[in-house]
Amino acid sequence: DAGVIQSPRHEVTEMGQEVTLRCKPISGHNSLFWYRQTMMRGLELLIYFNNNVPIDDSGMPEDRFSAKMPNASFSTLKIQPSEPRDSAVYFCASQEVGARTEAFFGQGTRLTVV
Amino acid sequence: GIQVEQSPPDLILQEGANSTLRCNFSDSVNNLQWFHQNPWGQLINLFYIPSGTKQNGRLSATTVATERYSLLYISSSQTTDSGVYFCAADPNDYKLSFGAGTTVTVRA
Repeated sequence: DAGVIQSPRHEVTEMGQEVTLRCKPISGHNSLFWYRQTMMRGLELLIYFNNNVPIDDSGMPEDRFSAKMPNASFSTLKIQPSEPRDSAVYFCASQEVGARTEAFFGQGTRLTVV
Repeated sequence: GIQVEQSPPDLILQEGANSTLRCNFSDSVNNLQWFHQNPWGQLINLFYIPSGTKQNGRLSATTVATERYSLLYISSSQTTDSGVYFCAADPNDYKLSFGAGTTVTVRA
């Protein structure tokens, strides 16, 4: 397996624009996670999907953020409208939750909002 | 939620030296992982170790679940070991909480 695949790797956008980050989890994993990494807050969980259903979105910062998982092999994280404080590295991870195995992370998307 | 504390925050090593990184967590865990974030930002899995001891080459890890801590050992460090080491713990097997990391710099 190629691992967790995220796109784009880098995104620079202007304040107010819509941004969509994409993730393909490892095949066979039943769970997908979106994390955000900033200098101030470190790595924090934004949302957790199990079998394509959002289970815990308590980490989503505000209504400008939304995430979807239309099928087992694809998820998006959307920010609309984007703000400079959204600048961060966004990681997607997948795991076979319940099987006592590890979570694997994608390479991340570095988002810069100017 | 679970609190994860790592120490030391920074570590500077001479190539060839050994070191120990510590992770304390505030609750019992179903999942504990160690990651290395390399200078390119990639999070690389090192160990899945909710309990016991594991070894992989020059790295090894021990988790004492009853005392709520885990240790990562780096032996004969190399410059490629530089980066940030994260411990992440989860009491429920789905919600990893990360520590602040230990930044390791290995000098040639």
